[in-house]
Amino acid sequence: GAVVSQHPSWVICKSGTSVKIECRSLDFQATTMFWYRQFPKQSLMLMATSNEGSKATYEQGVEKDKFLINHASLTLSTLTVTSAHPEDSSFYICSARDGGQGALYQFFGPGTRLTVL
Amino acid sequence: AQKITQTQPGMFVQEKEAVTLDCTYDTSDQSYGLFWYKQPSSGEMIFLIYQGSYDEQNATEGRYSLNFQKARKSANLVISASQLGDSAMYFCAMRELPSSNTGKLIFGQGTTLQVKP
Repeated sequence: GAVVSQHPSWVICKSGTSVKIECRSLDFQATTMFWYRQFPKQSLMLMATSNEGSKATYEQGVEKDKFLINHASLTLSTLTVTSAHPEDSSFYICSARDGGQGALYQFFGPGTRLTVL
Repeated sequence: AQKITQTQPGMFVQEKEAVTLDCTYDTSDQSYGLFWYKQPSSGEMIFLIYQGSYDEQNATEGRYSLNFQKARKSANLVISASQLGDSAMYFCAMRELPSSNTGKLIFGQGTTLQVKP
């Protein structure tokens, strides 16, 4: 199956700093990537949908200035958590769709665990 | 609006026995897809099985089968011959299939399965 990587796998940062998380599709071109957030023992919550070369579409309640998403190429999307605070500590997962809107499956990255001190 | 409901927060099963994880959904669309994912403690999302709304037969993948009852809007996952490695969190998810849709998945709350030796 298709492979999606995320970097870093975990990060610890001080409150007020910004953190960038990368999501890469390794063996396919991903026109659409999705960013999710997951708190312990809870479900995945979609944060935004990212299409290559255009602005991301954010879900209701997600601060676009707080969570900056850049989908600069067909294989890379980045999520930057700006001025991170302890409440931003969470597990962030990306997924990528192989192909256009008709493509059925999403392939998930291994996730990034963010801890803000 | 789409909604996925998993009513079992936690389940126990004896090794080598079968277990059914419940999932009900709500959608006004006629064309949709249903997915099951497994999330072990490492956090990665592992795709298990897919059922399309127009598929006449229940999907099967090895020890996994999907009991699809369209009229009842349920898509229960059956795991046969449980193994210790099946201990994980399981998510049911749905996406609507028209091409105009972004392809985003809506996830249920998840069910934590523990397999006892």
